[in-house]
Amino acid sequence: DTGVSQNPRHKITKRGQNVTFRCDPISEHNRLYWYRQTLGQGPEFLTYFQNEAQLEKSRLLSDRFSAERPKGSFSTLEIQRTEQGDSAMYLCASSPGQGANQPQHFGDGTRLSIL
Amino acid sequence: GESVGLHLPTLSVQEGDNSIINCAYSNSASDYFIWYKQESGKGPQFIIDIRSNMDKRQGQRVTVLLNKTVKHLSLQIAATQPGDSAVYFCAEGWGSNRLAFGKGNQVVVIP
Repeated sequence: DTGVSQNPRHKITKRGQNVTFRCDPISEHNRLYWYRQTLGQGPEFLTYFQNEAQLEKSRLLSDRFSAERPKGSFSTLEIQRTEQGDSAMYLCASSPGQGANQPQHFGDGTRLSIL
Repeated sequence: GESVGLHLPTLSVQEGDNSIINCAYSNSASDYFIWYKQESGKGPQFIIDIRSNMDKRQGQRVTVLLNKTVKHLSLQIAATQPGDSAVYFCAEGWGSNRLAFGKGNQVVVIP
């Protein structure tokens, strides 16, 4: 399967702990996106990378959140000092780098539950 | 905990009938529109997209219609099958690469 891969699929942690998620995009896709989705809602944009450069961040991305894509391939999303409100599905998507308006292809997400 | 909003608009359709899902978008500057299908426990799956210089695009069993005058988007699914049961989201994009998703519509196919 050459789709977007996310790990872990599920993460349960206590409030105040740090968590890190990983996303492996479709190979040769230069653009990588992170979204957050809560139950019954559509995904909300968090941040976007073009290769290794983080080009856009949403106001939803508080200072407790940090995303990296050091070699322009896989990406990590870290949440520090987790809060109950961080419970959500975290989705990663990728798209080709050439031209605007390319479809974004999503992974199956990491579901985070804060106890 | 989880946010509210569990009660999605639901379309119940008989297997074999056609389905139409509607979406109103808000940003008149949006120039790219895309439909996704999401099954329980999975990420959104790309169905079809359309750019603002078009008003209709067809795929396999699906058609997307765009009316920029009233900022309305629709997805038509022909000969709906049980495997089409899912939540469907429309999304809009403009200039930047972020997508803004609308509220989902639950489609339930009755065998």
